[in-house]
Amino acid sequence: DTGVSQDPRHKITKRGQNVTFRCDPISEHNRLYWYRQTLGQGPEFLTYFQNEAQLEKSRLLSDRFSAERPKGSFSTLEIQRTEQGDSAMYLCASNEQGWSTDTQYFGPGTRLTVL
Amino acid sequence: AQTVTQSQPEMSVQEAETVTLSCTYDTSESDYYLFWYKQPPSRQMILVIRQEAYKQQNATENRFSVNFQKAAKSFSLKISDSQLGDAAMYFCAYRSAGAGSYQLTFGKGTKLSVIP
Repeated sequence: DTGVSQDPRHKITKRGQNVTFRCDPISEHNRLYWYRQTLGQGPEFLTYFQNEAQLEKSRLLSDRFSAERPKGSFSTLEIQRTEQGDSAMYLCASNEQGWSTDTQYFGPGTRLTVL
Repeated sequence: AQTVTQSQPEMSVQEAETVTLSCTYDTSESDYYLFWYKQPPSRQMILVIRQEAYKQQNATENRFSVNFQKAAKSFSLKISDSQLGDAAMYFCAYRSAGAGSYQLTFGKGTKLSVIP
């Protein structure tokens, strides 16, 4: 069990560019979550997958954001036409359906800086 | 919508002493889960302790324990025998127990410093 991994760990981009982040959950975890954490705040929920189905999306997830989880394994989060307000840490978490306490295991995050 | 409030942006504790971090939450639900997560500097968030709302007994994990007051909607974390490695941001989080509601709602966090 290697834990949740995210790539890249850091991304610097210019306003208006598109960026894509990847998350690899713990193997056999069928639930995957994306959160955004800005400086001085707790993580905020963005979206959630069960297997390959995206079942819940926050109103924070504007039209410029899209997430996928093909084949129910890794997930990607794409931000189009980035804005300075998108600068944040993007966290991925996963867990396994059936655990009564549903603990979510977090990855190290991708820190995005939009110049 | 549920909200989680951590009223202490920063706390400090002397090594080997005990410290309590506060958390209150607002919900109209009767069944839910509460969590404390630890986020060390530049490292990933890890679970410290969790509590099911239907359980009256307070959860404990080694040096970490909670004081869960359901009526008061309070969920504080006590760290005993504080160690240097306990220095981190601590986040309180809430999750509904309802089917299909799996997202965590976090507070803004408390930064804990441990003084040698």
